Amino acid sequence: GQQLNQSPQSMFIQEGEDVSMNCTSSSIFNTWLWYKQDPGEGPVLLIALYKAGELTSNGRLTAQFGITRKDSFLNISASIPSDVGIYFCAGLRETSGSRLTFGEGTQLTVNP
Amino acid sequence: GAGVSQSPSNKVTEKGKDVELRCDPISGHTALYWYRQSLGQGLEFLIYFQGNSAPDKSGLPSDRFSAERTGGSVSTLTIQRTQQEDSAVYLCASSLVGSGRAMRNEQFFGPGTRLTVL
Repeated sequence: GQQLNQSPQSMFIQEGEDVSMNCTSSSIFNTWLWYKQDPGEGPVLLIALYKAGELTSNGRLTAQFGITRKDSFLNISASIPSDVGIYFCAGLRETSGSRLTFGEGTQLTVNP
Repeated sequence: GAGVSQSPSNKVTEKGKDVELRCDPISGHTALYWYRQSLGQGLEFLIYFQGNSAPDKSGLPSDRFSAERTGGSVSTLTIQRTQQEDSAVYLCASSLVGSGRAMRNEQFFGPGTRLTVL
């Protein structure tokens, strides 16, 4: 079952605003991945994190691997309408082989 | 190929029928994964193939579900005697390598097959 708590479940923001979402767990992860999924499509990888404390940017997106290895956050700056979609965190635990554990997603709506 | 491809994109079937879903991973990727996504939910791991190793089937929900990977490339997920609760989007992903602390495991997803069981 799900072991990643992702929040918020949904967000409604105005174009230009910054957005922050996060995932937490009671388990330790050694990889964190952030994906975006558009309707009718598969998830697209946005950012991958491999080391505790790592802060990585991809354009307007910034993600961090928490020091405790039990959490991660994703920030989107200066949102635009095409940022609309569902954002998923996913974690990989050393004890779970290659199976990714997914959060339940954050539905982002950007009003122009 | 350029990305992971899946077919069919949509499948409507009657309860009790068998279905086969196909996945073509990215060329050169040794690891292949199947996930299931129910409406409004995150992804649920089903099965994982890595090279010639025995697959990790620990996520398959029942013995009606099976998967094979032929020649280390194309994979087929089979659901026998489908039930209405099997309705979901079935997503396939591939990665260059499998698990390991020193290895990168960036999984790239296909567009999915939307299965509807009437």
